[in-house]
Parts: sequence; C-alpha cells; structure tokens
Amino acid sequence: AQKVTQAQTEISVVEKEDVTLDCVYETRDTTYYLFWYKQPPSGELVFLIRRNSFDEQNEISGRYSWNFQKSTSSFNFTITASQVVDSAVYFCALSTQETSGSRLTFGEGTQLTVNP
Amino acid sequence: DAGITQSPRHKVTETGTPVTLRCHQTENHRYMYWYRQDPGHGLRLIHYSYGVKDTDKGEVSDGYSVSRSKTEDFLLTLESATSSQTSVYFCAIRPGGLTRSYEQYFGPGTRLTVT
Repeated sequence: AQKVTQAQTEISVVEKEDVTLDCVYETRDTTYYLFWYKQPPSGELVFLIRRNSFDEQNEISGRYSWNFQKSTSSFNFTITASQVVDSAVYFCALSTQETSGSRLTFGEGTQLTVNP
Repeated sequence: DAGITQSPRHKVTETGTPVTLRCHQTENHRYMYWYRQDPGHGLRLIHYSYGVKDTDKGEVSDGYSVSRSKTEDFLLTLESATSSQTSVYFCAIRPGGLTRSYEQYFGPGTRLTVT
C-alpha cells in the first residue's frame, strides 16, 4: 500500500522568508513517481512538478526547489523568498507503476499562509 | 490548460436524491479519474476509467457509480445522496502516449452539498 504523510498541517511565514514543506512517502514499489500540487484559495489544483524514483537530482524552478532523498523517503519542497501569492494548500502525491490505474495517493496537504 | 470542464460547479441537493456530475475533456485522453476532497483527508480516489466502458473502483467507491460511454465524458452518479457525500469533487485526466507521463491534470471541481 502507498502512503504520503505531510506532517505540517499549517505553516505561517512573513513575506520574503524561506519555507520548506515536508513530504514523506511509503511504497514497496521500486518504480514510482512523486508530485507536488498547489491549490490556491480559488480552489483549482495546479500541477507543479513530477519526480521519478530513478532520478534523484534536485530541481529548481525560479523560487521553487525540490529535494528528493530516497534514503529518507522524502520529497521536500522549498519556497525561497516567499510571496503573498504563494499562500495556498500544497499537496504531495505518489503514483506507482504497480498501482492499478496509476492513481495518485495524496497527503493531507499543508496550508501555507504568507503574511505581508 | 488541460481542457477539462466539470458541471455543475455547485449543487445543493437533498438526502436521498440521485445526483450526476459530469466531467468533459477535449483532448481524448484515455485515463480519467474522480476524486473527492475533504478536510483532513486530502484527495481520495472514487473511481477511474481507462477507456470507453472500462472503469474500476478507487478507495472510497461505496455509494458511487460511474459511466463512460464516450472518450470525452466521464459521469459520476450518487444513486441516493447522503450527507457524508457533501464534498468537493474533482475530475482528472492523465496524459498517455509514448512519454507515459504519470501526472494528472484536474478540472475546476464541483462543490456538492447534501442537506
């Protein structure tokens, strides 16, 4: 069975602070995919990134960076110099080749509030 | 923009009534999914489809049925709505093809309230 844990339910920071959102996953499959989605107050779900289990390179996209560590089963997300527009719920998710339909297993989400 | 629409966007219904939610996509993706989002649970899979007339259950399928008679439409039906089915429902598609991409793209959601 797959499981994703986002232990931080809510995080509040002041604009320009750096913030890291934690994600820990569990799976017995050797090939899997990890994702981050953003859900702003408007409610839509926005795909941010996919990471394959066989590629542990970290990734940076502007102010966003992702740290994938198989040794600790973690896929953490860092926002550098946070902005008010980053306020949203962020979901980490997992999919595996063995899971029927390649369904996504989501964590419970982390509510990030960036205050001006 | 993944070309996914959901209808209705909001609905209030009474306990015991049937409800059908529609998901429509414009890009002929094979895989389509229905999730529900509830506080403290993230998103959970209700049903999914891997082709016309090919569907399977997810982790929270009790009380729901689905149909897919055309590639572009995936219907979710609550046969007899209950208050526990008050939720936000999201439809998603998964692009296939040679890249075998596993990310899913979501529709705007339907907020359903069962009174």
